[in-house]
Amino acid sequence: EAQVTQNPRYLITVTGKKLTVTCSQNMNHEYMSWYRQDPGLGLRQIYYSMNVEVTDKGDVPEGYKVSRKEKRNFPLILESPSPNQTSLYFCASTPRTGLEYEQYFGPGTRLTVT
Amino acid sequence: KQEVTQIPAALSVPEGENLVLNCSFTDSAIYNLQWFRQDPGKGLTSLLLIQSSQREQTSGRLNASLDKSSGRSTLYIAASQPGDSATYLCAVYSSASKIIFGSGTRLSIRP
Repeated sequence: EAQVTQNPRYLITVTGKKLTVTCSQNMNHEYMSWYRQDPGLGLRQIYYSMNVEVTDKGDVPEGYKVSRKEKRNFPLILESPSPNQTSLYFCASTPRTGLEYEQYFGPGTRLTVT
Repeated sequence: KQEVTQIPAALSVPEGENLVLNCSFTDSAIYNLQWFRQDPGKGLTSLLLIQSSQREQTSGRLNASLDKSSGRSTLYIAASQPGDSATYLCAVYSSASKIIFGSGTRLSIRP
């Protein structure tokens, strides 16, 4: 089944403790991205990747890192999480760059930083 | 900078009614526009993708239109059902790498 998977689905952590949220897609998609969703602010793009080893900042990249060493995986890294990073995070992928194709979203990761 | 607005933020209608959700954007130079559905606490389900060269797309009871010149898209839902209750999001593909979401319309269909 074609899908985007994220792990973990739920995470509660403390300020400053490094964490990684994994994202994987099995559709051989080139373009992957991370979003956060906050009440009243909608979804905002954090980082995106047009292909392996090609990443760039979205609208709200501060406090996050990403890597794209393999085509299928696009982990989101929070080196030193803070409470303002408490949010619902979504990973998404698209077959090609240029955005001619629809996005496929993962199920989301709800992160709470205390 | 592209801005995407969805009005109203919430809408409640009785079952069986036809309804229209609105999405407006400030920069008409877009690639595509995509409508999503999001159930509470869940991920996003793609409903319709309208490419920049198209004016509308249909899927079942859903019809989405796009008017780039006026910066507007509408999502028409025919014969609404309680199962249509969800938040509906539009996303504008504003450049080769930027996707901007509206904040959504929370739809409630009363039985």
